[in-house]
Amino acid sequence: EADIYQTPRYLVIGTGKKITLECSQTMGHDKMYWYQQDPGMELHLIHYSYGVNSTEKGDLSSESTVSRIRTEHFPLTLESARPSHTSQYLCASSDFLEEQYFGPGTRLTVT
Amino acid sequence: AQSVTQLGSHVSVSEGALVLLRCNYSSSVPPYLFWYVQYPNQGLQLLLKYTTGATLVKGINGFEAEFKKSETSFHLTKPSAHMSDAAEYFCAVSDIQGGKLIFGQGTELSVKP
Repeated sequence: EADIYQTPRYLVIGTGKKITLECSQTMGHDKMYWYQQDPGMELHLIHYSYGVNSTEKGDLSSESTVSRIRTEHFPLTLESARPSHTSQYLCASSDFLEEQYFGPGTRLTVT
Repeated sequence: AQSVTQLGSHVSVSEGALVLLRCNYSSSVPPYLFWYVQYPNQGLQLLLKYTTGATLVKGINGFEAEFKKSETSFHLTKPSAHMSDAAEYFCAVSDIQGGKLIFGQGTELSVKP
């Protein structure tokens, strides 16, 4: 079973607040990803990293930022949350065969 | 550019019936192909994957998929549906530049008693 964790699982927060979504993996994977997914919809890649100090923007433009200071940790930050940021955020990491292991997700609601 | 198309955003079957979820891909190089399942309010879980070798791949929960290069397809099947199979299913192909997966739009499977 994959060891990738996301906290919090659910977050309700007011407009304008700064938030950080945490993602950690214990598998030693170099590659990590953040996806945004609206309920019942497809996944959109918003950020990815191929290793420490490496971050790239994904296919969907996002106002969020990420950092990769440690291999196991890939947090996502929103400096000023807005209702349009309401969504589910999924973190994943992958091995050399590109199989991605997903965390349980964070469901964010911005009021 | 690579892409994945899942035919049918919603499939409904009766319990015990055959499950067939369709996936077609485009790729200029031999692809790695994946099927993932997502239950409500959860992340994605790998069902099965094709990298090289045998084209019929068996996965968890009785699912299998066959890689057909001539048809650029990787359809997911299960001989007998169970109520617990109701979920969202995603097909994905690996990006030729390495690392990223390109996901299809997803197919919601409903299982009727």
